[in-house]
Amino acid sequence: AQSVTQLGSHVSVSEGALVLLRCNYSSSVPPYLFWYVQYPNQGLQLLLKYTSAATLVKGINGFEAEFKKSETSFHLTKPSAHMSDAAEYFCAVSAQRGNQGGKLIFGQGTELSVKP
Amino acid sequence: GAVVSQHPSRVICKSGTSVKIECRSLDFQATTMFWYRQFPKQSLMLMATSNEGSKATYEQGVEKDKFLINHASLTLSTLTVTSAHPEDSSFYICSARRSGQKQETQYFGPGTRLLVL
Repeated sequence: AQSVTQLGSHVSVSEGALVLLRCNYSSSVPPYLFWYVQYPNQGLQLLLKYTSAATLVKGINGFEAEFKKSETSFHLTKPSAHMSDAAEYFCAVSAQRGNQGGKLIFGQGTELSVKP
Repeated sequence: GAVVSQHPSRVICKSGTSVKIECRSLDFQATTMFWYRQFPKQSLMLMATSNEGSKATYEQGVEKDKFLINHASLTLSTLTVTSAHPEDSSFYICSARRSGQKQETQYFGPGTRLLVL
């Protein structure tokens, strides 16, 4: 079984400040981990993914995340927030193999607000 | 590449009618497609996994007779909400996994907003 917990349903930062969105996962098998961004009334766009290669993953728009197995975490960071980063962010997990492979389990989402 | 479209983007229907939502992979073949539902301010919940040429696999609690899924070709999956009720109003999102690609890559459609009156 797999699950994802995102700590904080809403995060607010100032423009130019560090963005940190927290994600912890639970998985009985080696996981793939993902961060997606969703703008209002739109689908999901993949920011980055961890697929058992490098533990520090760099994504689009300056975002990166680090896989920490010991902490079962995959937190998303960006050094300097832009106004355009305001959106809903979802962390997701899937199994690397087996009959559950490919199914994405999403966290509850974190709404990021960026203040000017 | 890897574009997924959904049609319609928005639909309003009367209670008791059926609504069909299409999910298309425009520039790749998709053996597997997934259907999700998202209520306002909530996360995406997987409803079912659609495999081309076979029956869909539904998640626990999802009524397969109410949410009919057909994946008749490698580029098209449809979700039909039968006898729709106001509680079925939601944002429905599909995703597609490219055939032959590693399991972990899914491409999402823009979503369909369903409002049942």
